[in-house]
Amino acid sequence: DADVTQTPRNRITKTGKRIMLECSQTKGHDRMYWYRQDPGLGLRLIYYSFDVKDINKGEISDGYSVSRQAQAKFSLSLESAIPNQTALYFCATSDAGTISDTQYFGPGTRLTVL
Amino acid sequence: DQQVKQNSPSLSVQEGRISILNCDYTNSMFDYFLWYKKYPAEGPTFLISISSIKDKNEDGRFTVFLNKSAKHLSLHIVPSQPGDSAVYFCAASASGTYKYIFGTGTRLKVLA
Repeated sequence: DADVTQTPRNRITKTGKRIMLECSQTKGHDRMYWYRQDPGLGLRLIYYSFDVKDINKGEISDGYSVSRQAQAKFSLSLESAIPNQTALYFCATSDAGTISDTQYFGPGTRLTVL
Repeated sequence: DQQVKQNSPSLSVQEGRISILNCDYTNSMFDYFLWYKKYPAEGPTFLISISSIKDKNEDGRFTVFLNKSAKHLSLHIVPSQPGDSAVYFCAASASGTYKYIFGTGTRLKVLA
């Protein structure tokens, strides 16, 4: 079973719709992250959370919000989707107890906003 | 401003030869670097890392070199195998921030 899961894997929505992407992990990690990947731009950090009560904005948080419902769950919401939010979205986790802080990624959600 | 740059979008190498992927960074506060490999329809997977206290780290066929004065790191894959064909991302972090800045990726194709 995958340690970091994302739902849905693919989603097509229309401009102005609210959409939520969900991430769950069984790794027991405290830190969770949301990234988006665009062609030619690599992975950019949207939001990150170091524990349930800690939420931080990343490089490109405008137009997004997050919720850390539990240690294992971190959701990303687009309140009113727009076409330039079409991208591949990845959730990642890391272990606060290690120095290396290697991040482990989910399989991604491909979002298309028409 | 791109703090981590991978200037080669793609690279083709013959099977059995060496693959060299390059990464440059601008922020002198970065002191921990990782390489990730990404196959289509999958998330990135951790490959190898290096701390700024070292200039080389090896793991099997993969070696990462760090040149702090040049703010440059490279990933060497020897020998290259067709299964190494993927997109490779380098990422950099500054101590205590626990977040990474990723490069734009290099697509490696290993030809059989």
